[in-house]
Amino acid sequence: GNSVTQMEGPVTLSEEAFLTINCTYTATGYPSLFWYVQYPGEGLQLLLKATKADDKGSNKGFEATYRKETTSFHLEKGSVQVSDSAVYFCALSAKETSGSRLTFGEGTQLTVNP
Amino acid sequence: EPEVTQTPSHQVTQMGQEVILRCVPISNHLYFYWYRQILGQKVEFLVSFYNNEISEKSEIFDDQFSVERPDGSNFTLKIRSTKLEDSAMYFCASSEYRMNTEAFFGQGTRLTVV
Repeated sequence: GNSVTQMEGPVTLSEEAFLTINCTYTATGYPSLFWYVQYPGEGLQLLLKATKADDKGSNKGFEATYRKETTSFHLEKGSVQVSDSAVYFCALSAKETSGSRLTFGEGTQLTVNP
Repeated sequence: EPEVTQTPSHQVTQMGQEVILRCVPISNHLYFYWYRQILGQKVEFLVSFYNNEISEKSEIFDDQFSVERPDGSNFTLKIRSTKLEDSAMYFCASSEYRMNTEAFFGQGTRLTVV
């Protein structure tokens, strides 16, 4: 079946540090890949997505590239801010095998200190 | 900005009782979903709903669960006889189309079964 694995958390960084959150996936077919973010007390919000190999999703300074050869979709940001503190979820959707459902990773708690 | 709203934000119920979790999806969306997240675990797909019927469901979504769209705006998840292990955060989501489009999530309902 489909699965998503994220790097173990939590992650604590100082403001302006470089962020990488690793995400790898297992899926049959050609999944679409997503990063969702959950700020404290709020629901899940789509941060960025990529629908085919080598696509780069980007939003709010965050980027992730769909790497089919390494089955990865790592999230990066060059300079994090305190306001980026949240839980980040990697997810996939694979129409051929699981319809429209999203399969999520474990989530990574990011804390950015001033 | 349109959003998915869920009520209540927190529900405490006794084991064996029935609960109904309510959601108001975004008005022009056609696909509706329920997910849950047990504390410390992954966000898991429960069910998707389209055109007034279930389009997909996971193995978690057994006979004690049901979904309904009782009118043009609400989407409900009913748990007939709650168990301790049903304690989780339940997220409702909706999307305009089935594939490769953003699923918008509500802020969640925290269900505690005692």
